Amino acid sequence: EAGVVQSPRYKIIEKKQPVAFWCNPISGHNTLYWYRQNLGQGPELLIRYENEEAVDDSQLPKDRFSAERLKGVDSTLKIQPAELGDSAVYLCASSSQGQGIFYEQYFGPGTRLTVT
Amino acid sequence: GDSVTQMEGPVTLSEEAFLTINCTYTATGYPSLFWYVQYPGEGLQLLLKATKADDKGSNKGFEATYRKETTSFHLEKGSVQVSDSAVYFCALSSSYNTDKLIFGTGTRLQVFP
Repeated sequence: EAGVVQSPRYKIIEKKQPVAFWCNPISGHNTLYWYRQNLGQGPELLIRYENEEAVDDSQLPKDRFSAERLKGVDSTLKIQPAELGDSAVYLCASSSQGQGIFYEQYFGPGTRLTVT
Repeated sequence: GDSVTQMEGPVTLSEEAFLTINCTYTATGYPSLFWYVQYPGEGLQLLLKATKADDKGSNKGFEATYRKETTSFHLEKGSVQVSDSAVYFCALSSSYNTDKLIFGTGTRLQVFP
């Protein structure tokens, strides 16, 4: 079974440029998460989807970040414009169920973003 | 708010040494507790979990016991191997938002032969 796929693995951009990250979750997983992991820190949740619906986006900086999950499968996270402080690893995870009972989250390898 | 505190690394050990990585938490109610591991170049993987007080999670020789009285969930292994070298993250999910994982800062373990 294929794991969570993310692309690109690495991205270097100049500040004020846009950038997008793509995630393909494990087949059949209806819940998808985007996390940001700053250097030397643990991951922090940005947004959680159940199918196509964003059910928790309270930590997403909505002035510059946006996300979508069309058809409840793949997801894209976008930053426009990027700032120096956005340099981090962006992790995607998926699980088979939503609220109420813990279902293991499976993480992708992440996209390392460097903003210069 | 809920939070997790874990010991800073790196932790450097020789092969077959005993490992302890400390983790304490702050949370209301009865959180579930987890240890995740991140091997170089790979995504985070769930190592073990415990969902209620006094539960012991175990996997691959690693163990951790949910101690509510000390709000701790320390990770232990009796004899580490070079292949255990990785970053270990302690995490919790609250009883009112089970899908939201709150992670500690991670502890890097380096095991030398």
